[in-house]
Amino acid sequence: ILNVEQSPQSLHVQEGDSTNFTCSFPSSNFYALHWYRWETAKSPEALFVMTLNGDEKKKGRISATLNTKEGYSYLYIKGSQPEDSATYLCAFVNDYKLSFGAGTTVTVRA
Amino acid sequence: DSGVTQTPKHLITATGQRVTLRCSPRSGDLSVYWYQQSLDQGLQFLIQYYNGEERAKGNILERFSAQQFPDLHSELNLSSLELGDSALYFCASSAPTATSQETQYFGPGTRLLVL
Repeated sequence: ILNVEQSPQSLHVQEGDSTNFTCSFPSSNFYALHWYRWETAKSPEALFVMTLNGDEKKKGRISATLNTKEGYSYLYIKGSQPEDSATYLCAFVNDYKLSFGAGTTVTVRA
Repeated sequence: DSGVTQTPKHLITATGQRVTLRCSPRSGDLSVYWYQQSLDQGLQFLIQYYNGEERAKGNILERFSAQQFPDLHSELNLSSLELGDSALYFCASSAPTATSQETQYFGPGTRLLVL
């Protein structure tokens, strides 16, 4: 299981502000990167599966970019809303195995 | 509701015992994944099955085993339970290909407490 790091561990953002955070992963043998959103007392919900270098994906106000050569992905939240409060997990896929980061916990203050 | 079901929701048992967790994937999904979420650790991948066959193994202890049946439901068997096995166990399923590039849909989880 490979080392996947997410930073920051947590962040607070004012409602209406935009924010972003990082997932770092090994740059060799890249296969795919998953992003999940995990709300307290619920199960992880898939946001994106990213497979190609330079990929950009968007779902509403949330978007993600991927750089496989340097081994990082950014998740952006535009105009944060209280319902965006959750832990965002990334998972690196290698040889069918998923290695999860510890997550970035986002708290949106009204 | 992801369409993935897990039973039971909660399970309380004693050390040394054996339990079975059950997962039914979304209709049409052939891949099933098992994950463990402990208090002091992040989400850990345990094992993946694809159409009845083991596809990938992660941090799964030898005391644990899994299988996927012809109707595609899966069971995770945990034996000789220890206090440290207390965790939330998730099952996920994904679309009918053998890769890990598909979206995974998570079930509600089974919370296991070993006393």
